[in-house]
Amino acid sequence: EVQLVESGGGLVQPGGSLRLSCVASGFTIRGFWMSWVRQAPGKGLEWVANIKQSGTEKDYVDSVKGRFTISRDNFKNSLFLHMNSLEAEDTAVYYCAALSYFSFDIWGQGTMVTVS
Amino acid sequence: EIVLTQSPGTLSLSPGERATLSCRASQSTSHLAWYQQKPGQAPRLLIYEASTRATGIPDRFSGSGSGTDFTLTISTLGPEDFAVYYCQQYGSSLWTFGQGTKVEIK
Repeated sequence: EVQLVESGGGLVQPGGSLRLSCVASGFTIRGFWMSWVRQAPGKGLEWVANIKQSGTEKDYVDSVKGRFTISRDNFKNSLFLHMNSLEAEDTAVYYCAALSYFSFDIWGQGTMVTVS
Repeated sequence: EIVLTQSPGTLSLSPGERATLSCRASQSTSHLAWYQQKPGQAPRLLIYEASTRATGIPDRFSGSGSGTDFTLTISTLGPEDFAVYYCQQYGSSLWTFGQGTKVEIK
């Protein structure tokens, strides 16, 4: 079964840091651009960051530039999001996703980050 | 940044009816997708590249449009189709989503 499983969410104080992880099973992430997408409570979806298959290209939404870093380990079939200087506005469920044809094809179940 | 505006915000329909959801882009986009999200679940990809159904998606879901105007049609609503639907576009290394359309039971 193709699956993405996120972990690492939790409660953190403003200004704090958190590292999210996402492990894939049933497929290899080596062939995919990978992404993080978040959803604040009761709100819509917001793309956060992308990383190319090789890890050499990364893109971020403006609101997290300089604070968040996306990375990957293809050997461990894993994706990461390092989040620093967290703000209340970063409170959300964070989903990892695999990109295909410019769309988010495979999604994890999400991990909740609360900044308070 | 391309802004996507979905309409209507809420669509109240009965099972068996046809649903037509709109997504309008502030600038022309070449890559448009649609997702379904149910409460407490992750989104699910329905349509990519405006009109191609994702793997396993029933043929009652169809997408159309180009440029700035796109439509998701559900030909006959099943009880499992009541959910929130989002459109999403890619352009200039940025991905943006619409605000969503809730399809609710009338």
